[in-house]
Amino acid sequence: QKEVEQNSGPLSVPEGAIASLNCTYSDRGSQSFFWYRQYSGKSPELIMFIYSNGDKEDGRFTAQLNKASQYVSLLIRDSQPSDSATYLCAVNKGATGGFKTIFGAGTRLFVKA
Amino acid sequence: DAEITQSPRHKITETGRQVTLACHQTWNHNNMFWYRQDLGHGLRLIHYSYGVQDTNKGEVSDGYSVSRSNTEDLPLTLESAASSQTSVYFCASSESARQETQYFGPGTRLLVL
Repeated sequence: QKEVEQNSGPLSVPEGAIASLNCTYSDRGSQSFFWYRQYSGKSPELIMFIYSNGDKEDGRFTAQLNKASQYVSLLIRDSQPSDSATYLCAVNKGATGGFKTIFGAGTRLFVKA
Repeated sequence: DAEITQSPRHKITETGRQVTLACHQTWNHNNMFWYRQDLGHGLRLIHYSYGVQDTNKGEVSDGYSVSRSNTEDLPLTLESAASSQTSVYFCASSESARQETQYFGPGTRLLVL
């Protein structure tokens, strides 16, 4: 079992729809959770981070964390073709894990115009 | 503006050769990381450093080494390149162990023939 699991996709949504990206993690001691976006041929860039259970909103993006279920998600509202990219879920393992960040394999998102 | 750079951006080498990939950051960050990215595996941690003279092995460290003689640089050396080390390599940095956001360099594409 991978430490951070994501559906590889591709996930295809029409322009203007909500894209929902999901991630599960195995280490209950994990403390910080991140979503990075990576365009083809480019390096990852941070979209959002979340530490506490619940929702965190930033513009069209909402991160959701449920530590009991070891589940983190990213919602993209009003999806745009420019949102087409691979989205990487990342988990920081905290002190017990040497503060290492583990990345999922990523979910490819296609937003159709 | 502060940044993180990698060189070379593209490299072709032969099996058995020693290769060094450079990473330089001007953020003055304590933490630096090396990842490799392969299809289906996402980003996998090779080595990381939390400060000068500090280096640690990641999940895929065999065949790689790093040294940290100053804050700005963390070169990655492939002691004897193997075809299995053909990959895209990303360097990243963050401000502190607990600080979550990692800033990535542009990547180095390495082909080992």
